[in-house]
Amino acid sequence: EPEVTQTPSHQVTQMGQEVILRCVPISNHLYFYWYRQILGQKVEFLVSFYNNEISEKSEIFDDQFSVERPDGSNFTLKIRSTKLEDSAMYFCASSEDQGETQYFGPGTRLLVL
Amino acid sequence: AQSVTQPDIHITVSEGASLELRCNYSYGATPYLFWYVQSPGQGLQLLLKYFSGDTLVQGIKGFEAEFKRSQSSFNLRKPSVHWSDAAEYFCAVARNFGNEKLTFGTGTRLTIIP
Repeated sequence: EPEVTQTPSHQVTQMGQEVILRCVPISNHLYFYWYRQILGQKVEFLVSFYNNEISEKSEIFDDQFSVERPDGSNFTLKIRSTKLEDSAMYFCASSEDQGETQYFGPGTRLLVL
Repeated sequence: AQSVTQPDIHITVSEGASLELRCNYSYGATPYLFWYVQSPGQGLQLLLKYFSGDTLVQGIKGFEAEFKRSQSSFNLRKPSVHWSDAAEYFCAVARNFGNEKLTFGTGTRLTIIP
């Protein structure tokens, strides 16, 4: 069964450093999403992406964040200058069409020191 | 804006017992409703979803959920739990038009005792 994959599974970085989290959505999916889950808290929507542009973003997704689909398969989340509060599990998701089920990847656990 | 409430932070049930996890949503129209499960160290797996039609939906692993519009609820049920069901369960809601960001509840942690 096709699945969403994410790399790396874990990343540790120093505050102020840039990180790029990578995702490979399911191949025929057109809509892509990033969510995050701070330890002990709920899963929060960050951004949705379709047709090479952001469809919607939350207030969390400020100028430090950016997303990109650099080729036909990858979908990346970049945090330009990480802060301690960016430490979280970051989930990528994809869906085949608007309103269809979102399938989640296993997540990348980011720790900012 | 839509919101989801899962009033039970932690539930413990005996293996073989029945289970009901509560979920209440707030949204002006009929939303899309989902239950996801997260096992330790794993991602989010979809258990079931409700978009329209029959208000009792069947999912994977023997789970079912019932949409009750009058109560704004979408409770998850299983008649007999297995030790492997121990996990965190998240209810989520999405708008029924436009780009569907998911709004999650805070989750219910399920512990199974022998």
